[in-house]
Amino acid sequence: DAMVIQNPRYQVTQFGKPVTLSCSQTLNHNVMYWYQQKSSQAPKLLFHYYDKDFNNEADTPDNFQSRRPNTSFCFLDIRSPGLGDAAMYLCATSTRWATGGGNQPQHFGDGTRLSIL
Amino acid sequence: QKEVEQNSGPLSVPEGAIASLNCTYSDRGSQSFFWYRQYSGKSPELIMFIYSNGDKEDGRFTAQLNKASQYVSLLIRDSQPSDSATYLCAVEGRTYKYIFGTGTRLKVLA
Repeated sequence: DAMVIQNPRYQVTQFGKPVTLSCSQTLNHNVMYWYQQKSSQAPKLLFHYYDKDFNNEADTPDNFQSRRPNTSFCFLDIRSPGLGDAAMYLCATSTRWATGGGNQPQHFGDGTRLSIL
Repeated sequence: QKEVEQNSGPLSVPEGAIASLNCTYSDRGSQSFFWYRQYSGKSPELIMFIYSNGDKEDGRFTAQLNKASQYVSLLIRDSQPSDSATYLCAVEGRTYKYIFGTGTRLKVLA
């Protein structure tokens, strides 16, 4: 089945120690997203790629970086994780309907639960 | 004003009843509307999407869209305890973005 795969499912890191989360997709969607979601909150968009074009949200901390080396893969790098960065990180993909009329639904991966010690 | 608003709940309904979840949005130009179900600790799962005014049915789920009033709703018929989750409303924003509401927590009582 075509899908969005996130690795790892659970990540524990130390305060200030860089961490990388990965996402891959077999849907061949041209748009990939990274969200941060904390308990009882809506997913918060960090950035998205349209093909290789990177779009950063204005309130995404500089501590968060992303790379998309090809259509299938996208990475989230947290350079110096703080306690406030403990959250679920969600990767999603999407594309437009070929006939026009807006976005197709987003497909989410299972998420990576990040804990900071 | 928040761009996408939902009542946080919890909305409690007895098993077998109809659960009605509502969402309002601020951008009149939005074309696509989505409902996701999210169980605690899991990622969002697409339940329904709707693009045109009116109703769209899929099994026990019906999405309703009223663009003039800028609201979208989700009805769940014959609610089951397994439907207990948080339901996220998402609206297509500009430039490939999706704007999420904070979700409504649904509790179906056995």
